[in-house]
Amino acid sequence: DAGITQSPRHKVTETGTPVTLRCHQTENHRYMYWYRQDPGHGLRLIHYSYGVKDTDKGEVSDGYSVSRSKTEDFLLTLESATSSQTSVYFCAISADDRGRVEQYFGPGTRLTVT
Amino acid sequence: KQEVTQIPAALSVPEGENLVLNCSFTDSAIYNLQWFRQDPGKGLTSLLLIQSSQREQTSGRLNASLDKSSGRSTLYIAASQPGDSATYLCAVPNSGYSTLTFGKGTMLLVSP
Repeated sequence: DAGITQSPRHKVTETGTPVTLRCHQTENHRYMYWYRQDPGHGLRLIHYSYGVKDTDKGEVSDGYSVSRSKTEDFLLTLESATSSQTSVYFCAISADDRGRVEQYFGPGTRLTVT
Repeated sequence: KQEVTQIPAALSVPEGENLVLNCSFTDSAIYNLQWFRQDPGKGLTSLLLIQSSQREQTSGRLNASLDKSSGRSTLYIAASQPGDSATYLCAVPNSGYSTLTFGKGTMLLVSP
């Protein structure tokens, strides 16, 4: 299994508070991704990174920011959490240095915004 | 924009049956296609990656086929078992290849 961990695994927070989710990999892969998964919508890309300090937006990036200061860590921040951001968040890494797919996923973080 | 559709959305079969899951995509200019499995409350597990130059890829009781010209892929599961119960998702690269578009999945239930 690809060495991907996510923390925290579960979080409950209040509307308006900032939240940071962490993804850590031990594979030294260049590409890292953040997705959210919601019933009826499936998996949707939030942001991705193609190197240290290199990031780009995905399909549903509004309300989220990311940072990557080290190859192994990719942080997802909700600056001011809203109830619509209640979801399961998955991190993924790409096994190909050019990002040409095969992606491997972490175990997920279940976030509830009350 | 790439769109991916998976049919059926849910499937219930008795143990031992052979079954086929379908995935269709709108932009046939893909580099490859990936099938995943997701157990309830868990992350996605990569099952098969089939390259555009291949027509089939096999892993144990799983066989994935890819027909780029028609924009379709199928995942064949032979001799299904209750342990195969999960949601199966397919994903294809977007233009530029760095990101994927996922289907919404087929939820499979195999009954003993």
